[in-house]
Amino acid sequence: QKEVEQDPGPLSVPEGAIVSLNCTYSNSAFQYFMWYRQYSRKGPELLMYTYSSGNKEDGRFTAQVDKSSKYISLFIRDSQPSDSATYLCAMIPPTRGADSNYQLIWGAGTKLIIKP
Amino acid sequence: EAQVTQNPRYLITVTGKKLTVTCSQNMNHEYMSWYRQDPGLGLRQIYYSMNVEVTDKGDVPEGYKVSRKEKRNFPLILESPSPNQTSLYFCASSLRGDRNNEQFFGPGTRLTVL
Repeated sequence: QKEVEQDPGPLSVPEGAIVSLNCTYSNSAFQYFMWYRQYSRKGPELLMYTYSSGNKEDGRFTAQVDKSSKYISLFIRDSQPSDSATYLCAMIPPTRGADSNYQLIWGAGTKLIIKP
Repeated sequence: EAQVTQNPRYLITVTGKKLTVTCSQNMNHEYMSWYRQDPGLGLRQIYYSMNVEVTDKGDVPEGYKVSRKEKRNFPLILESPSPNQTSLYFCASSLRGDRNNEQFFGPGTRLTVL
């Protein structure tokens, strides 16, 4: 079983819809959770970074962490064609000190298509 | 413009022919890292460097070498490439190597080994 599971999609929705992207994980000790966006032929870029449980909002994007269920979500409101990309979740295992190298554990990514 | 650059962007080669993929950043970052991205597997770290002359193995270092002689450059070397190294490679950098620093990724190098 992979440490982080993510449905590869593609997920296709009409413009303006609310999008929900999800990841599940197996290690209950994970505390740092990230969402990256990767456009075609580009490198990933950090979208949201959350610590522990709860919600974090940034414009049209909301990241949600449910540690009891080992489940994280990224919601996109009023989706736009420019949101079409692959979305990757990533997590940091608590194996090292705060100042040392951290190793991200990545989901495989969900391809999102927003239809105009 | 602050960025991470990689060269070449696309490379087709044959088994056993040594190659180097260059990575350079202009942000004076201490930390640099190489990843490979394969369908269904996500990103996996190959090697990382906390600073000049300091490198260490990631998850999948077999068949790869790196060096960090200057702060801005972190080349990835495949001494004897094999078909299982066909992949999309990303270089990344961050100000420091701790979890409070965002990693910035290069545009990727698509490598095919025949």
